[in-house]
Amino acid sequence: KQEVTQIPAALSVPEGENLVLNCSFTDSAIYNLQWFRQDPGKGLTSLLLIQSSQREQTSGRLNASLDKSSGRSTLYIAASQPGDSATYLCACSGNTPLVFGKGTRLSVIA
Amino acid sequence: EAQVTQNPRYLITVTGKKLTVTCSQNMNHEYMSWYRQDPGLGLRQIYYSMNVEVTDKGDVPEGYKVSRKEKRNFPLILESPSPNQTSLYFCASSLSIQSVSSYEQYFGPGTRLTVT
Repeated sequence: KQEVTQIPAALSVPEGENLVLNCSFTDSAIYNLQWFRQDPGKGLTSLLLIQSSQREQTSGRLNASLDKSSGRSTLYIAASQPGDSATYLCACSGNTPLVFGKGTRLSVIA
Repeated sequence: EAQVTQNPRYLITVTGKKLTVTCSQNMNHEYMSWYRQDPGLGLRQIYYSMNVEVTDKGDVPEGYKVSRKEKRNFPLILESPSPNQTSLYFCASSLSIQSVSSYEQYFGPGTRLTVT
């Protein structure tokens, strides 16, 4: 059964810093990996989707990478801003429906 | 605007009183699903549907029912709600989930349910 782990559970950084969020998964037979953002009490907003055949995807200040063989994905946020403060979730899609990690709660301090 | 809508957004009810949370998508998506989100447990899938009249259990289906009579709608039914079903519920949809190059999932805004 697929298990998805995100470390750290919480992270606090000063504004302007570059940072990396980590996601690991146990079953490499995935179709894709998706990163989401969730603001407190709100829904999930899709940030990036990486297909299993891809190595990375970029959107603005965000860059997500995927290494299926090692069961890892990273989300890189450049020049962080207070508006980036939220919980970031990764999720894997494979033979079983989407499996989520528990998220990393990011606080960017002005 | 392409979106997934849920109603109601907030609901407080009492134990045993049947309720339905509606979910609708306007993107002609085949795949729809329901999740619940609880502190410390993350998002867990309740039920999913590959297409009309096709539904399947997720990780935590007990106490819930679903139906998929139309492509756009996927209501979540709690026949006899209990306090342990107090949670934040999300509906999601995707163009397809069966092909190898599967598609992005879109989430609704969430329904906060409290059962007293």
